[in-house]
Amino acid sequence: DGGITQSPKYLFRKEGQNVTLSCEQNLNHDAMYWYRQDPGQGLRLIYYSQIVNDFQKGDIAEGYSVSREKKESFPLTVTSAQKNPTAFYLCASSIGTTDGPLHFGNGTRLTVT
Amino acid sequence: EDQVTQSPEALRLQEGESSSLNCSYTVSGLRGLFWYRQDPGKGPEFLFTLYSAGEEKEKERLKATLTKKESFLHITAPKPEDSATYLCAVGRGGGADGLTFGKGTHLIIQP
Repeated sequence: DGGITQSPKYLFRKEGQNVTLSCEQNLNHDAMYWYRQDPGQGLRLIYYSQIVNDFQKGDIAEGYSVSREKKESFPLTVTSAQKNPTAFYLCASSIGTTDGPLHFGNGTRLTVT
Repeated sequence: EDQVTQSPEALRLQEGESSSLNCSYTVSGLRGLFWYRQDPGKGPEFLFTLYSAGEEKEKERLKATLTKKESFLHITAPKPEDSATYLCAVGRGGGADGLTFGKGTHLIIQP
């Protein structure tokens, strides 16, 4: 079955540590995205990539970094500079050439203490 | 700046009691209006895309409609398994720039 795999499902880190969230897709989609979801808030766009080796900042990129070395993979690093890193992180992908829907993974819940 | 506002924030219905969820939007040029369903602890599941005013789409007990300023998600004779958070989103820009989401409507269907 094609889909988006995010791992791990739950992640715990101490304040001051960088942490990398994994996102892999086998849908052969060109575009990939990272969103953050907090209680009572809509999904907010962190970074997106329309093609390998290229990515753009979304609305809340500060304190985050990404890479896109392979079409299938779009890892997100939450750095120690991110002031409020505890959240539910969602990765998504789309075909990328049309105004089509995003397809989401099942998320990683990050808790930083 | 694109804006998406969903109402109500929460809705509790009895099984079989039909209702509608609202999504109003402000965009410079609509590039698709998207509805998703999200269950607790899971990623959003795509339901519908609407592109032009007057367009309607249906899936089981759900029907989405679109006007120039808002979209409605009509739920007919809902069942407890329809309980979820329903998210509305609009395309951000050209091609693959992602979506701007509303905060969602938390729907509870009581047996």
